[in-house]
Amino acid sequence: GENVEQHPSTLSVQEGDSAVIKCTYSDSASNYFPWYKQELGKRPQLIIDIRSNVGEKKDQRIAVTLNKTAKHFSLHITETQPEDSAVYFCAASKATSYDKVIFGPGTSLSVIP
Amino acid sequence: DTGVSQDPRHKITKRGQNVTFRCDPISEHNRLYWYRQTLGQGPEFLTYFQNEAQLEKSRLLSDRFSAERPKGSFSTLEIQRTEQGDSAMYLCASSRSGETRDTQYFGPGTRLTVL
Repeated sequence: GENVEQHPSTLSVQEGDSAVIKCTYSDSASNYFPWYKQELGKRPQLIIDIRSNVGEKKDQRIAVTLNKTAKHFSLHITETQPEDSAVYFCAASKATSYDKVIFGPGTSLSVIP
Repeated sequence: DTGVSQDPRHKITKRGQNVTFRCDPISEHNRLYWYRQTLGQGPEFLTYFQNEAQLEKSRLLSDRFSAERPKGSFSTLEIQRTEQGDSAMYLCASSRSGETRDTQYFGPGTRLTVL
């Protein structure tokens, strides 16, 4: 089955710097890659997603890139702010009749003011 | 609030007891998922419903676990003869099927503590 790895497990950046989180997946049939942000004690919330027919997607300070050949995708956060501090999960899903999503282990991001 | 809701938010039980959790998805969503999340880990898939049909169960789900979605709306997850290893956050998510992969929206979770 699908396996998603994520690095780093923890990341500290100064406010205003950029943060990059990288993920790899094992199943070449996966074609949907969402990213979720989970603040302490709260539910995971989708922040951006990318489908395999595009290589990059951007939404304000957040961007995601996808390299299907290498089976890896990355989250980029620019101009980080303290409220970006949270655990970020990448995930992968196959184009079957339903969307079983396999999550990575998470990256704990701390933005230092 | 029109998001996914879960009840209860917290449950403390003694080992060996049965517990049942409820999930109410977003009203127009026909797909419903249950996940389990332990500290420091990502959500792990447990089971999935499309309307009232349970289409897949993870191998993580032992015979002590059962899930239902009798009318294709709310769902329940029951754990029988709870064990300390069942302590976790149980998350429910819902989505709407379509030609493109639709976003899964998560509920707030039910935190289970087995003493």
